[in-house]
Amino acid sequence: GESVGLHLPTLSVQEGDNSIINCAYSNSASDYFIWYKQESGKGPQFIIDIRSNMDKRQGQRVTVLLNKTVKHLSLQIAATQPGDSAVYFCAETPNSGYALNFGKGTSLLVTP
Amino acid sequence: ETGVTQSPTHLIKTRGQQVTLRCSSQSGHNTVSWYQQALGQGPQFIFQYYREEENGRGNFPPRFSGLQFPNYSSELNVNALELDDSALYLCASSLGQGAGGELFFGEGSRLTVL
Repeated sequence: GESVGLHLPTLSVQEGDNSIINCAYSNSASDYFIWYKQESGKGPQFIIDIRSNMDKRQGQRVTVLLNKTVKHLSLQIAATQPGDSAVYFCAETPNSGYALNFGKGTSLLVTP
Repeated sequence: ETGVTQSPTHLIKTRGQQVTLRCSSQSGHNTVSWYQQALGQGPQFIFQYYREEENGRGNFPPRFSGLQFPNYSSELNVNALELDDSALYLCASSLGQGAGGELFFGEGSRLTVL
């Protein structure tokens, strides 16, 4: 079965609001986590990553939080914009392996 | 743009046929990974090539095979196509083995098997 899952398949937010996309994983050996954004008809685009020795990492308008105790990962997008509308995937790899395990994705829809 | 190019972008095959998909990695990247993405699903790892050798493989049958060339470009071959092989095939390049580095994905080749 999948080791990575998402709590919500779809998320609708208003432009300017903050978005939070959640992800659960089951493999305790996972030590590297990445968030990808995939727009329609395109390949996944790297957003931000975090290693298991950290619990928070910030980028431009995005923050990833990692809670290893409950095996939970979240992506926060500040001041969500229409261009943020896409499917967001979390992915993990155990023991810095060679394969990323992706979840099914959350569709983010930003409404005006 | 990631600098990873894939061809063809779309193709239609019939069951039992064979297909070859191609990928040019980003300049300077020596590792290519292939993923299969079924409609509405997340990508699934097929295999990875590093310096022309298969470096790791996911849960895919032997009829999925690949090559990496000295210029680090790569091919994915699928024999005896089945209906369930219909998917978007993504190529990703990176520098070095493993998934620890950032993967740069191409826009994929969409395969339809009839």
